[in-house]
Amino acid sequence: DAKTTQPNSMESNEEEPVHLPCNHSTISGTDYIHWYRQLPSQGPEYVIHGLTSNVNNRMASLAIAEDRKSSTLILHRATLRDAAVYYCILRDLTTSGTYKYIFGTGTRLKVLA
Amino acid sequence: DVKVTQSSRYLVKRTGEKVFLECVQDMDHENMFWYRQDPGLGLRLIYFSYDVKMKEKGDIPEGYSVSREKKERFSLILESASTNQTSMYLCASSFGTGGAIYEQYFGPGTRLTVT
Repeated sequence: DAKTTQPNSMESNEEEPVHLPCNHSTISGTDYIHWYRQLPSQGPEYVIHGLTSNVNNRMASLAIAEDRKSSTLILHRATLRDAAVYYCILRDLTTSGTYKYIFGTGTRLKVLA
Repeated sequence: DVKVTQSSRYLVKRTGEKVFLECVQDMDHENMFWYRQDPGLGLRLIYFSYDVKMKEKGDIPEGYSVSREKKERFSLILESASTNQTSMYLCASSFGTGGAIYEQYFGPGTRLTVT
């Protein structure tokens, strides 16, 4: 199974940038890196995904290392509403040719006022 | 907005009971997924379905079965509930065929307690 490694927890001050790291040394050449987050008492929600180049959207930026063995999710200005568990996810190809996500345990981000 | 709804937020069942967890999505998505979430273990895939009447085992299918008779509805069945199935159950759906290709949309979860 493709696996990711993330720190268990991180803290950030409000309105400061946050860099959430993820290691995925076993990533295959064509697989995307996905990030989801789970706010308290909710299901996970999509944040961003990328293949090789850095990606930006309204929620965050994703910086992918040149060798693709690691990536960093960047929240440019953390707010209290960004306090959540952030998951870095790879996909696995099943024997039947379908894909499934492999979730790790994620990084719990605490934002300090 | 995509909406994924689950039949209950909280459910308490007794050991040995047959339990049905229902999930409905309103965006005509082909793929639907059932996960369970336990402290320290993250989300683990139980089963998924990439088309009506099609299903595929995930990473922890033992003790569970699923049913997908209509495109919008995906049911998770615990044939004989046991205490080790006490968990948070999350349903998700996504566009396209082939499983986890595109963004998944999650429901709010059902917290099941088996006593």
